[in-house]
Amino acid sequence: SQTIHQWPATLVQPVGSPLSLECTVEGTSNPNLYWYRQAAGRGLQLLFYSVGIGQISSEVPQNLSASRPQDRQFILSSKKLLLSDSGFYLCAWGAVAYEQYFGPGTRLTVT
Amino acid sequence: GQQLNQSPQSMFIQEGEDVSMNCTSSSIFNTWLWYKQDPGEGPVLLIALYKAGELTSNGRLTAQFGITRKDSFLNISASIPSDVGIYFCAGQLDFGNEKLTFGTGTRLTIIP
Repeated sequence: SQTIHQWPATLVQPVGSPLSLECTVEGTSNPNLYWYRQAAGRGLQLLFYSVGIGQISSEVPQNLSASRPQDRQFILSSKKLLLSDSGFYLCAWGAVAYEQYFGPGTRLTVT
Repeated sequence: GQQLNQSPQSMFIQEGEDVSMNCTSSSIFNTWLWYKQDPGEGPVLLIALYKAGELTSNGRLTAQFGITRKDSFLNISASIPSDVGIYFCAGQLDFGNEKLTFGTGTRLTIIP
């Protein structure tokens, strides 16, 4: 069966510091991968998605970037965090028929 | 961008009551999905719908793909405390488009 991992689970970072969040998927090959951000009590905002290694589509202009160095690894990065980058970051992998399955999330607080 | 209007935004019910929520759009969707999110966790896929008019159940949950393809409904029968959470609808707009459009969520609270 497929599983998706995210780490770290929680992160507190000062403004201006770099960021690296990692997502890995097990049990499937060549999945579509997605990064979402969720503000407190709000819906899901798609940040990036990838249909293959090295292929990244950005949905909104922002202070973040994404990379896919391996088939089942998706990384969300920032060179300098802003207060507005705080939120709950969710990684998801896409299966057949457009279903998406989410990881446990990373709670990021920028102070 | 495309939006899904989800209603109600919140519901306060007593244990044992039935729950109904819906998702509507001005555009036609090819796939409808319903998710539940518990606090501090990622959303979990509950039901997926692929054809207009399709009615699918998962235990006490039943969802329907509207015949106009512009809406979807989720019903929960005989609610229990573990049903508390936020329910999201999501739709896939175009064939070949790998993205989903998410609704704004319905927060379900059970009053003791």
